Amino acid sequence: DTGVSQDPRHKITKRGQNVTFRCDPISEHNRLYWYRQTLGQGPEFLTYFQNEAQLEKSRLLSDRFSAERPKGSFSTLEIQRTEQGDSAMYLCASSAGQGGGRNQPQHFGDGTRLSIL
Amino acid sequence: GENVEQHPSTLSVQEGDSAVIKCTYSDSASNYFPWYKQELGKGPQLIIDIRSNVGEKKDQRIAVTLNKTAKHFSLHITETQPEDSAVYFCAAGPSGTYKYIFGTGTRLKVLA
Repeated sequence: DTGVSQDPRHKITKRGQNVTFRCDPISEHNRLYWYRQTLGQGPEFLTYFQNEAQLEKSRLLSDRFSAERPKGSFSTLEIQRTEQGDSAMYLCASSAGQGGGRNQPQHFGDGTRLSIL
Repeated sequence: GENVEQHPSTLSVQEGDSAVIKCTYSDSASNYFPWYKQELGKGPQLIIDIRSNVGEKKDQRIAVTLNKTAKHFSLHITETQPEDSAVYFCAAGPSGTYKYIFGTGTRLKVLA
């Protein structure tokens, strides 16, 4: 049973460039979450998918950020026109959903660390 | 807005001693409280969780207690070992949403 997989693990880019991250959830999980974590802080929620539907978005998710989960399996998070303040660890999590209610444990991947030069 | 406060921010204990980390949440509708351990360069790993209909839960050396009236919950680690050294995060799962609200973390150092 593999865990949540994120790619790439590290991304260094220049300010103004676009970046895209990928997340592969645990195979039987239909719920997928994106969080952002800055140094010394806890993860902050960005967005949530149930299957392919994006059901919740944080106000942190500006219009430069877009997330997709086209077939209800893997998900991508794209940041356009990156800014210095986008430097952070981007974490993906997944949880089971069928009949489990909202309180199913979220299992995290090891994240993608983004550095903006 | 929804908020989770976590104390202390750093905690050093001697190997074999106990460690206690405390959290307070603001949303009285919260009903699920997971704890995560995060090691350097890794994502948060779920170590224990508790639901609002339970006051205490134990798993080997780790226990969590919940006081819904006071909106407090705590993590207790007994017989600490050097490999327990990490950053620990509490979180609250507010009702009506799927997101977790995380605390700011506690850096635990277990001194050999």
